[in-house]
Amino acid sequence: QVQLVQSGAEVKKPGASVKVSCKASGYTFTDYYIHWVRQAPGQGLEWMGCFNPKKGDIQYRQKFQGRVTMTGDTSDSTAYMELSRLNSDDTAVYFCSRGRSQLLPGDQWGQGTLVTVSS
Amino acid sequence: DVQMTQSPSSLSASVGDRVSITCRAGQSVYNYLNWYQQKPGKAPKLLILAASTLHSGVPSRFSGSGSGTDFTLTISSLQPDDFATYYCQQSYYSPPTFGQGTTVEIK
Repeated sequence: QVQLVQSGAEVKKPGASVKVSCKASGYTFTDYYIHWVRQAPGQGLEWMGCFNPKKGDIQYRQKFQGRVTMTGDTSDSTAYMELSRLNSDDTAVYFCSRGRSQLLPGDQWGQGTLVTVSS
Repeated sequence: DVQMTQSPSSLSASVGDRVSITCRAGQSVYNYLNWYQQKPGKAPKLLILAASTLHSGVPSRFSGSGSGTDFTLTISSLQPDDFATYYCQQSYYSPPTFGQGTTVEIK
């Protein structure tokens, strides 16, 4: 069955970077975009950007431009999201999701990775 | 960014009730409107895409309607497993944006 399995929780200090992985299985990795969506504690969902494993093109939400990097390894069917210059507002659960389109919907989601930014 | 506004923000209902949640887009998104269900500590699950198409495996008590700027998610007979938070999301404009969520609680 289709699965997206994310890396474990992280605790980072302000100013540091975090890299979250998302390993896909059960489908052809290059057939779907990988999206990254985050959710701050008690808040709603915020799309961060997406990565196209087939073509390698990437689209970032403007607010994250310059701070986020999305990549993928097709040999390993794994996508990565790295966020730099972390601050307390980046404390959130980060989800990966696959979708046929650049604009979602995501039909399968990873379990989420909690990133806590604290001094 | 296109603003998505859901109403109500929360509601209390009983098992067996018919429940409707509304989503309004700041500008027309045609039928590029999706609905998700999220339970505490879990990832969202896709329920409905393209305003009214039930995602694979989703029970038929869920339905979606609307186009343009006004959309509705309806649960025809609320079941215990349906108590959760529901989000709408537009996929016509970049960036894709979500509503603030509607929490369905047990009365």
